Amino acid sequence: GEDVEQSLFLSVREGDSSVINCTYTDSSSTYLYWYKQEPGAGLQLLTYIFSNMDMKQDQRLTVLLNKKDKHLSLRIADTQTGDSAIYFCAERDNDMRFGAGTRLTVKP
Amino acid sequence: GAVVSQHPSWVICKSGTSVKIECRSLDFQATTMFWYRQFPKQSLMLMATSNEGSKATYEQGVEKDKFLINHASLTLSTLTVTSAHPEDSSFYICSAEGGFPVYTFGSGTRLTVV
Repeated sequence: GEDVEQSLFLSVREGDSSVINCTYTDSSSTYLYWYKQEPGAGLQLLTYIFSNMDMKQDQRLTVLLNKKDKHLSLRIADTQTGDSAIYFCAERDNDMRFGAGTRLTVKP
Repeated sequence: GAVVSQHPSWVICKSGTSVKIECRSLDFQATTMFWYRQFPKQSLMLMATSNEGSKATYEQGVEKDKFLINHASLTLSTLTVTSAHPEDSSFYICSAEGGFPVYTFGSGTRLTVV
């Protein structure tokens, strides 16, 4: 099947920027998403980007999409301790496929 | 925004019993809902797609007789884990499309079978 891959761990210091990367294989993906999951909770949609866009910015979040390389990234500016969570990349064609999630740890 | 309410948040049941998990769309109608299973420190695995008024579509390898899905109305889908066993212990999450192209997720149900 089609795969979505992400690195499993990222650790940053409070105030720094975090960049979480994701690659996918399905070239027919129409939308790509970033979700946040805190312990014991469901998934919270952070942002999404249509496949014909290169970039989307929403406050501290910046999404970059390189469709040629099938690479998606999420940048969190001024990372705070409350940003510590697991971040899932997902792509959508007919259904949604998720990456394994990147555990972001923010150190004070 | 669209809200999906999932209950219960957690449940402990004895091996051999059945457990029902509810997923409700609170402020929108959902003809389709999705059920996922998440193992510890792993991603979400799509189990089945629940269709209002018709049979659910199960992913390969998911036992339809064990995981019964009912989508009787435009706002409610239920997942019943029948004759639960310890290996069914997991985190179950539902989702629905609250407004294209956004999928909204429930808060999840942690099932522990003892």
